Amino acid sequence: AQKITQTQPGMFVQEKEAVTLDCTYDTSDPSYGLFWYKQPSSGEMIFLIYQGSYDQQNATEGRYSLNFQKARKSANLVISASQLGDSAMYFCAMRERGDMRFGAGTRLTVKP
Amino acid sequence: EAGVAQSPRYKIIEKRQSVAFWCNPISGHATLYWYQQILGQGPKLLIQFQNNGVVDDSQLPKDRFSAERLKGVDSTLKIQPAKLEDSAVYLCASSLVTSGTDTQYFGPGTRLTVL
Repeated sequence: AQKITQTQPGMFVQEKEAVTLDCTYDTSDPSYGLFWYKQPSSGEMIFLIYQGSYDQQNATEGRYSLNFQKARKSANLVISASQLGDSAMYFCAMRERGDMRFGAGTRLTVKP
Repeated sequence: EAGVAQSPRYKIIEKRQSVAFWCNPISGHATLYWYQQILGQGPKLLIQFQNNGVVDDSQLPKDRFSAERLKGVDSTLKIQPAKLEDSAVYLCASSLVTSGTDTQYFGPGTRLTVL
């Protein structure tokens, strides 16, 4: 069964605007971690942000924030003030009991 | 702090040939992972090591894939013999420990093309 779902294969955003990348997950384990990674065309997976299932507040890292809605099982990534360098693939991942699963990814294109 | 190192970055082989990839994790990271990422998909875990022991290899095609981490530091992943469907990027990642909250850090990957 698919545990991580990213429903947006591709997204476009104008430079300097904010964009939200969607991610929903499925688990019955009360303890899990949610991650977002960026993968530029060079291929390396770059860690962006982490949210623990017991964290009360939404995680933030610079221009990245994670909109964590536990009851809805969603963990959307918000990128504020988009830059041309943000153009890349973005993967949502969930880790439970050591097992890490990735979504299919969303390709973000930032337009000048 | 140095990141995860992988080599080679690119490899082109013909089907039925053998190939090996090398990974050196971040210093002090006990857990090492090998992922396969087929074009257009997210990474899929092949094998996970905790120090030099295998934690999870349930998705490793053991008839042709093998991996080792003999001294609990660097690791090699081998494919023998390669098939066309093995064309993918092979990513190595490491983390301090194995837990739901521990972040995995990835290397640059090895792009394998099987002709």
